[in-house]
Amino acid sequence: NAGVTQTPKFQVLKTGQSMTLQCAQDMNHEYMSWYRQDPGMGLRLIHYSVGAGITDQGEVPNGYNVSRSTTEDFPLRLLSAAPSQTSVYFCASSLTTHSPLHFGNGTRLTVT
Amino acid sequence: AQTVTQSQPEMSVQEAETVTLSCTYDTSESDYYLFWYKQPPSRQMILVIRQEAYKQQNATENRFSVNFQKAAKSFSLKISDSQLGDAAMYFCAYRSAEMNRDDKIIFGKGTRLHILP
Repeated sequence: NAGVTQTPKFQVLKTGQSMTLQCAQDMNHEYMSWYRQDPGMGLRLIHYSVGAGITDQGEVPNGYNVSRSTTEDFPLRLLSAAPSQTSVYFCASSLTTHSPLHFGNGTRLTVT
Repeated sequence: AQTVTQSQPEMSVQEAETVTLSCTYDTSESDYYLFWYKQPPSRQMILVIRQEAYKQQNATENRFSVNFQKAAKSFSLKISDSQLGDAAMYFCAYRSAEMNRDDKIIFGKGTRLHILP
């Protein structure tokens, strides 16, 4: 079982570059979300989606875009990377809004 | 807005001893879920235990148990017979179970647990 798959695992960007972090789940989960993890800050919610075609902002949405065209995929786009976006990014999904989150293995992003 | 607070950034415990990690939260809701997640050095996030607010009985999973005090808004995790493999960052998380609420799962900042051999 693949679960939640995130790609890439590591990425280095230069300031101003754009990129997309991919997230796919094969569990038919309605809920998907993106978090960033920074030292001493825990996990902070960037964007989330309660179903295909529906997205909403979390705590720290600025500089990021998302879309949910299918139930399986929830890509996170960095429009113009900044050093402040250096972080570890996690995608997570859950079957319903009452279920625990299943996490991907994370993407370590460095912006120079 | 809901908040989750873990007041212990780091803790240490001797192998085979018992340790309790603290978590408090703030909410005006009556129906919600609370979770503890473990993040070992591999970076993987692993669900340890889950508590439903309307259940008075404290959840237990093998060596892991919680002390859920709803009135005090406290949700501590007790690890018995600590093992070297328990060394990790532990996160407490809150999720609303009420209809028509923002479905944002809120995490605390984490407690790093060291196991001393």
